[in-house]
Amino acid sequence: DAGVIQSPRHEVTEMGQEVTLRCKPISGHNSLFWYRQTMMRGLELLIYFNNNVPIDDSGMPEDRFSAKMPNASFSTLKIQPSEPRDSAVYFCASSLSTGTEYGYTFGSGTRLTVV
Amino acid sequence: GENVEQHPSTLSVQEGDSAVIKCTYSDSASNYFPWYKQELGKRPQLIIDIRSNVGEKKDQRIAVTLNKTAKHFSLHITETQPEDSAVYFCAAIASGGSYIPTFGRGTSLIVHP
Repeated sequence: DAGVIQSPRHEVTEMGQEVTLRCKPISGHNSLFWYRQTMMRGLELLIYFNNNVPIDDSGMPEDRFSAKMPNASFSTLKIQPSEPRDSAVYFCASSLSTGTEYGYTFGSGTRLTVV
Repeated sequence: GENVEQHPSTLSVQEGDSAVIKCTYSDSASNYFPWYKQELGKRPQLIIDIRSNVGEKKDQRIAVTLNKTAKHFSLHITETQPEDSAVYFCAAIASGGSYIPTFGRGTSLIVHP
C-alpha cells in the first residue's frame, strides 16, 4: 500500500485565493482526519469523517474552511478565501477502527503558504 | 472529552544518555496509547504503542510504560543517538468510543553528538 497520499506537497498562494488540498486514504480504512500543524498551536484536529460521513467538524476554524469526502478513497479540504494566518502544514490521516484493531497513519502533509 | 498533557516541551541530551517523555490523560475510557516521531519536515510516524492491558512494552532502544491508575504513560529512549532528534507526540484513544486520538503538544528532543 502506498499509504495516505496528499497533494500538493507544497502550495503557495495569494491572499484571497481559493486553496484545495487533497487526500487519498489507505484502502480499507474507514476513518479520515484533517489536521493543521503550526508551531504555535501544535497539531489541531479540523474535521473527522467516519465511513465518508463528517462526524465532528468543531475544529474547523471558520466558514472559510470546508471539507468533503465524496467516496471512501478521496477527500478535500478547501479554504476560500485564504488568509496569511492559514499558512501551516495540513495533514490528512486515516485509520481502521474496529473493536479489536486500530491503525492510524498520517500522509506526508501539504505545506501551505499564503502571501 | 479527553485531555492529554505532555512534558517536557523541549528535551536536550547528550548522545548516549537516556531520554524520558511523560504524558498524562484524563479519560479513564482511553485504552490505546501510541507514540509518534516527527522528523523535521516529515509526517508523524508511529514508533511504538501500548494497550491498557499491558504495563510495559519494549522495542530495541525504546520502551513505553503505562500506569492506568495514575493515568500516565511514558516513552523511554536509551542510548540516544543524533538520529533520535525529532518531535515526539503521545496520544490517547478510547477504542471503544469514537477512535479519535487526542494528541499531546509534542516534545522536541535534541540529541547532541
